[in-house]
Amino acid sequence: ELKVEQNPLFLSMQEGKNYTIYCNYSTTSDRLYWYRQDPGKSLESLFVLLSNGAVKQEGRLMASLDTKARLSTLHITAAVHDLSATYFCVSWDSNYQLIWGAGTKLIIKP
Amino acid sequence: DSGVTQTPKHLITATGQRVTLRCSPRSGDLSVYWYQQSLDQGLQFLIQYYNGEERAKGNILERFSAQQFPDLHSELNLSSLELGDSALYFCASSVGVLGTYEQYFGPGTRLTVT
Repeated sequence: ELKVEQNPLFLSMQEGKNYTIYCNYSTTSDRLYWYRQDPGKSLESLFVLLSNGAVKQEGRLMASLDTKARLSTLHITAAVHDLSATYFCVSWDSNYQLIWGAGTKLIIKP
Repeated sequence: DSGVTQTPKHLITATGQRVTLRCSPRSGDLSVYWYQQSLDQGLQFLIQYYNGEERAKGNILERFSAQQFPDLHSELNLSSLELGDSALYFCASSVGVLGTYEQYFGPGTRLTVT
C-alpha cells in the first residue's frame, strides 16, 4: 500500500524556536506538495516541489525534497504564533491520484 | 480567495435525509475533486470529475454520488444520512486531469447530521 507518512503528527512549540516536519512517502513520485489548513478553514497550497533537490522558501517556512530518500522536510525558523496550523504533505500514486499525509498539527505558543 | 466557491457554507439536517452540496471551480479549471474531512481528521478523497466525466473514485460510500455539469460546476449528493456523515466537505479544482496538478480548495461545506 502506498503511503505518505508525516512525523510528528502533533507539535507544540514556543515562539522563536526552530523545528522540522518530516514527510516520508513510498510512492515513486518525483514531486510533492505541501498544504496548510487553519482550524476550521480551507486548505491552501504552500509549496510545489517539482524535482529532486528542490528547495523553496516563503517567510519562515522552507521546504525541500529528496526523491532518492523519498523524504520531504518542512522547516520552520523562529516560529511565530501565526504559523499555527495543520500542515499536509501530498504525493501521488502511479495512477496520478493524490495520496495525502495525515497532517501535522502545529501549535506555536507565544 | 482560491476562486473555488461552495454552497451552502453550513447545513444541518436529520438522519435519513438527503442533501446536495454544490461547487463551482476556478475559471478555466476542468477537474473537480470532492473530499471529506471529519473532526480532527485528515482528508478523505471521495471522487474526481474531469470535464463532465468521472475520472477517479476514492473512499466514496454508495449512498453518496456526484456529477459535473456542462458548465463545469459539480454537485455532491449525500443520501440516507447517518450521524457519522457529519464532516467538512471540500471541493477542489485543478486545470488538468491528472492528480499531479496543484489543487485549489473551496471554503468547504460543514454538514451536521442530528
